[in-house]
Amino acid sequence: DSGVTQTPKHLITATGQRVTLRCSPRSGDLSVYWYQQSLDQGLQFLIQYYNGEERAKGNILERFSAQQFPDLHSELNLSSLELGDSALYFCASSAGQGFEKLFFGSGTQLSVL
Amino acid sequence: AQKITQTQPGMFVQEKEAVTLDCTYDTSDPSYGLFWYKQPSSGEMIFLIYQGSYDQQNATEGRYSLNFQKARKSANLVISASQLGDSAMYFCAMREVNYGGSQGNLIFGKGTKLSVKP
Repeated sequence: DSGVTQTPKHLITATGQRVTLRCSPRSGDLSVYWYQQSLDQGLQFLIQYYNGEERAKGNILERFSAQQFPDLHSELNLSSLELGDSALYFCASSAGQGFEKLFFGSGTQLSVL
Repeated sequence: AQKITQTQPGMFVQEKEAVTLDCTYDTSDPSYGLFWYKQPSSGEMIFLIYQGSYDQQNATEGRYSLNFQKARKSANLVISASQLGDSAMYFCAMREVNYGGSQGNLIFGKGTKLSVKP
């Protein structure tokens, strides 16, 4: 158990809908990262937050947004969903912003029908 | 250009034998970190081993060792005495310095699927 909690584990929704994925980092970790894993794109970095502030942005679509709350949990919001958004979404956390390892949650499997 | 290259989409190894999974990387930063993660069929990402760019010794963690050749920009993972439970996807990843000196996110390779044969 990595200590990173992601909910829900599975999500099935329809095109055009909006969903929210939730992540609770390991106790004490200030950095949260979101990744998208699909068969064709592999593991793609979406966005990073550190202590509530956005620190880095990757290949995140404008339809997607995220935030980190004062209690350090994070949410990833996906809107106007398309079939191609179907993927495994990972949240990861680390203590700071150094070269320490990232601890990954078990992921949210999103299926857009 | 790809930052992390894993040239072996799939590998087979006999149980109890050693196996090397290849990884090359591309960076102009002198300071970076290299990681290997394992993803079994259940989907979770499990940290295996870390190598810093300034580390003089190759990293080892139990049956895992990282063969770090800085001049060649390679960071191969060596798994000794393979076990059936080692069957999984293995990802090489790198963190660089960016954004005003703070370290950046992990950039992953495409992965290698390792199958251990009994």
